[in-house]
Amino acid sequence: EAGVAQSPRYKIIEKRQSVAFWCNPISGHATLYWYQQILGQGPKLLIQFQNNGVVDDSQLPKDRFSAERLKGVDSTLKIQPAKLEDSAVYLCASSLENVQYFGPGTRLTVT
Amino acid sequence: RKEVEQDPGPFNVPEGATVAFNCTYSNSASQSFFWYRQDCRKEPKLLMSVYSSGNEDGRFTAQLNRASQYISLLIRDSKLSDSATYLCVTRSTLTFGKGTMLLVSP
Repeated sequence: EAGVAQSPRYKIIEKRQSVAFWCNPISGHATLYWYQQILGQGPKLLIQFQNNGVVDDSQLPKDRFSAERLKGVDSTLKIQPAKLEDSAVYLCASSLENVQYFGPGTRLTVT
Repeated sequence: RKEVEQDPGPFNVPEGATVAFNCTYSNSASQSFFWYRQDCRKEPKLLMSVYSSGNEDGRFTAQLNRASQYISLLIRDSKLSDSATYLCVTRSTLTFGKGTMLLVSP
């Protein structure tokens, strides 16, 4: 069974630039999550989708971060404009019931 | 008090040792808990679910203490390949701890 796919795997941008990440969840998984993991920290939930609706985006910095899951499958996470403190690994996960399965992540470096 | 707290370690143990980690949580309404394992520069992978009655899978045992609001992970007969960071998470709020690093040496 294919796992959660993410792209790109690595991205380096300058501050104030924009960046977008893509996630394709495990087939049939209705719930999709985006996490931010800063070095030395645990993953921090940014947003949770159930199909194409937002369940929780309370920790998403909405002045610069946005996410969508228009058809209830793939999802994109965008940062505009990026700040130095956005340097982190952005993890996408999906779940059918309680257990979350993570993708390999996108490592973002903002210079 | 942070919602989920873990001792960051590192825990340095020799092969064959038994080691245990705890994870405390502040939300008494939390129902479901999980332990994930994360290797360096990799994504978290599910290790075990934590049930009220405890859960054992080979060398790994997970337990829940609701009265004291913590979950534990016990690893028996440690292997070199057990070296990783162990993350706990409460399912209700999807809050992860910072993780506990385990280093198993020959």
